[in-house]
Amino acid sequence: AQSVTQPDIHITVSEGASLELRCNYSYGATPYLFWYVQSPGQGLQLLLKYFSGDTLVQGIKGFEAEFKRSQSSFNLRKPSVHWSDAAEYFCAVGSNTDKLIFGTGTRLQVFP
Amino acid sequence: NAGVMQNPRHLVRRRGQEARLRCSPVKGHSHVYWYRQLPEEGLKFMVYLQKENIIDESGMPKERFSAEFPKEGPSILRIQQVVRGDSAAYFCASSPDFLRETQYFGPGTRLLVL
Repeated sequence: AQSVTQPDIHITVSEGASLELRCNYSYGATPYLFWYVQSPGQGLQLLLKYFSGDTLVQGIKGFEAEFKRSQSSFNLRKPSVHWSDAAEYFCAVGSNTDKLIFGTGTRLQVFP
Repeated sequence: NAGVMQNPRHLVRRRGQEARLRCSPVKGHSHVYWYRQLPEEGLKFMVYLQKENIIDESGMPKERFSAEFPKEGPSILRIQQVVRGDSAAYFCASSPDFLRETQYFGPGTRLLVL
């Protein structure tokens, strides 16, 4: 069955520290992978996506993610976190014809 | 360019009433998806529509829920005889023909059933 696992429900970091949010997927075919961010009471904003090619993808707001097929992972990283990055982050897997399957999300808290 | 628009943003209904949620996709997008987000959970797919057609409704509850995307006008998600368990945030997303892999989300409608 297709699924996405985000093992960390809640992460707290200090402003300026580096960040890595984990995402593992289970998908029958070559997946399309996405990271979305959701601020409280808001919709989802696309941070970055991977379809094919270079396994390290750059996104908006200084985020990047690396696709590792051998580990079925697509972890999100940022070298230096800003207080405005506090939000909920969702990893998702999909295809070109169908629905997205989302993980349960990781809530990021940033301390000054 | 306007993004995906949803209205109302907040909706309060009493048990047994009907809820109608509207979604206007990005101009030029002909693919619409509805998702539901229960408190403290991720988004769950409900239904995928193209103009006038339901393509995949595998995530829709079998009863009380329906969706449409008419030739003209917004997509509508309709919930009849709402129950407290229907309280959730409902998100609409759209994608264009040339980049169907990427879905752009609206701000959501938060439904509260009293």
